[in-house]
Amino acid sequence: DVKVTQSSRYLVKRTGEKVFLECVQDMDHENMFWYRQDPGLGLRLIYFSYDVKMKEKGDIPEGYSVSREKKERFSLILESASTNQTSMYLCASSLRGAFREQYFGPGTRLTVT
Amino acid sequence: AQKVTQAQTEISVVEKEDVTLDCVYETRDTTYYLFWYKQPPSGELVFLIRRNSFDEQNEISGRYSWNFQKSTSSFNFTITASQVVDSAVYFCALSEALSGSARQLTFGSGTQLTVLP
Repeated sequence: DVKVTQSSRYLVKRTGEKVFLECVQDMDHENMFWYRQDPGLGLRLIYFSYDVKMKEKGDIPEGYSVSREKKERFSLILESASTNQTSMYLCASSLRGAFREQYFGPGTRLTVT
Repeated sequence: AQKVTQAQTEISVVEKEDVTLDCVYETRDTTYYLFWYKQPPSGELVFLIRRNSFDEQNEISGRYSWNFQKSTSSFNFTITASQVVDSAVYFCALSEALSGSARQLTFGSGTQLTVLP
């Protein structure tokens, strides 16, 4: 069965803290994605990776960085968390190919106070 | 830029009613893919269907059906005889090209469907 897991379902951090969100997939997918979901805005792509050590900016990369050292793991890093980064963060993965569907993890609801 | 519009923010129906969720898209690509995802209260998006731009045949899967019309740039989703378990947020998405072989999904803002018993 296809599986994408995220390290935490809920996370509360303070402004200025460094935050790591981890995502692991067990499907040997080449592509991995980080989105944030906010009410009324749908899902917006932060970063994606199409291979180990490869990363590309999505629509809203400011304030975030990523790391992909192994094929199955894709980490999202908030270098200095701010309150406007309070959101639901969703990780996804997919096979290589133009029409492949993405498989999503359960999400991490991050609150920055 | 590619865009997906789901004009219905929230819909409430009574169980066993039919309901249609609208999706309108904009793209300059001649080849593209459209998707529907369901996000139940648990939070995990679940893939429902994919349709490519060359296939306008409507699709039916159980109580679910999809109507793709290129002439109106729409890809609407109908649930027949709705059930309480259909309550979720539904997202329509459009694929576009990215670096490497990844395809970015441009999502609509979602439609919250509530099915009342």
